[in-house]
Amino acid sequence: TQLLEQSPQFLSIQEGENLTVYCNSSSVFSSLQWYRQEPGEGPVLLVTVVTGGEVKKLKRLTFQFGDARKDSSLHITAAQPGDTGLYLCAGANTNAGKSTFGDGTTLTVKP
Amino acid sequence: NAGVTQTPKFRVLKTGQSMTLLCAQDMNHEYMYWYRQDPGMGLRLIHYSVGEGTTAKGEVPDGYNVSRLKKQNFLLGLESAAPSQTSVYFCASSFSTLAGGPNEQFFGPGTRLTVL
Repeated sequence: TQLLEQSPQFLSIQEGENLTVYCNSSSVFSSLQWYRQEPGEGPVLLVTVVTGGEVKKLKRLTFQFGDARKDSSLHITAAQPGDTGLYLCAGANTNAGKSTFGDGTTLTVKP
Repeated sequence: NAGVTQTPKFRVLKTGQSMTLLCAQDMNHEYMYWYRQDPGMGLRLIHYSVGEGTTAKGEVPDGYNVSRLKKQNFLLGLESAAPSQTSVYFCASSFSTLAGGPNEQFFGPGTRLTVL
């Protein structure tokens, strides 16, 4: 069974601070997705990374896939209250038909 | 496009009652999924389907059944509800990954189920 561990589980910061969330596994994935879920809603896809060492930027969010494709990180610069939510990573392998989800990091950004 | 829709949005059941949750997608996706989400436990896969007429068990399938009679619909059934099935249920869909593409999933808004 492939497992994804996310850390930290909870994070509460002030507006304007930077933060990094981690997603780690002992297994190799062919791709990894990051999702954000707001209270009362379903998760929404933020980004997919597929190549070892790949870095993708989405405005103030920077996503990196580990060289060995076993881990990933999400860095947020100058966090805003609108970034508040549950961040989930999910790993998948080609032809598996399904993904393995981490338990998520709950981020609260205080104004 | 409506994306992924779920019916109903809320439901309260008594122990032993049965119900069916409906998921519909209009994106012509091959794959569909049912998850449950409990506080502090992330998303747990119940059942999934890689095509019309096919279903497979996820990590927590006991107490649930599914059917995929049409490509756009995926039904989740609870034959005899138990309080342990109180949860938020999410449906998701994605394109096939047989060509090597990533498993990017699109989620519905969820169904909040309480079993008394």
